[in-house]
Amino acid sequence: AQSVTQLGSHVSVSEGALVLLRCNYSSSVPPYLFWYVQYPNQGLQLLLKYTSAATLVKGINDFEAEFKKSETSFHLTKPSAHMSDAAEYFCAVSESGGYNKLIFGAGTRLAVHP
Amino acid sequence: EPEVTQTPSHQVTQMGQEVILRCVPISNHLYFYWYRQILGQKVEFLVSFYNNEISEKSEIFDDQFSVERPDGSNFTLKIRSTKLEDSAMYFCASSVTGGRGETQYFGPGTRLLVL
Repeated sequence: AQSVTQLGSHVSVSEGALVLLRCNYSSSVPPYLFWYVQYPNQGLQLLLKYTSAATLVKGINDFEAEFKKSETSFHLTKPSAHMSDAAEYFCAVSESGGYNKLIFGAGTRLAVHP
Repeated sequence: EPEVTQTPSHQVTQMGQEVILRCVPISNHLYFYWYRQILGQKVEFLVSFYNNEISEKSEIFDDQFSVERPDGSNFTLKIRSTKLEDSAMYFCASSVTGGRGETQYFGPGTRLLVL
């Protein structure tokens, strides 16, 4: 069965600093991986996804993630944090078989300070 | 840009009461989902729905839960007799197809509080 682990429930960075949010997955089949963002009092918005094409995936708002099979990782990065990036970020994997059921990690809350 | 909408945004109910959470998926989408997020916990899959049938359901989705597409636009989640532990944010999502890797578009959620 697939699973997702997000290392670090809270990450704090300075405005302008690199953002790195970690996600490791477990999957017995080639995974499909997603990063979603949840701003306060809002729903989940797709940032980017990996579906076995390019290993470096670019998403919205200058976020990108790199799929590394050898490390079973799909870490999310952004070169320069903005105050508006403060939100909760969820990594998810699409389960094999079935109907595209998403399995989410526990989430990482990103704080950006001046 | 089309989006998934959910009503109400907040609902407070008494334990044992029935609640119906409503969702309007994106119009050309064929697959619909409900997820929930208990405060401070992971987002959890509840059920997927296609062609007026449940495609898959989790162990959380017991006999107290049901889903329905009563007309061409709405998708509802009914909880027959709410429990305290049903308090959560409930998200509806939809996708064009049900294939792995297909993007699911989420609504803003309904926050349910059971007293």
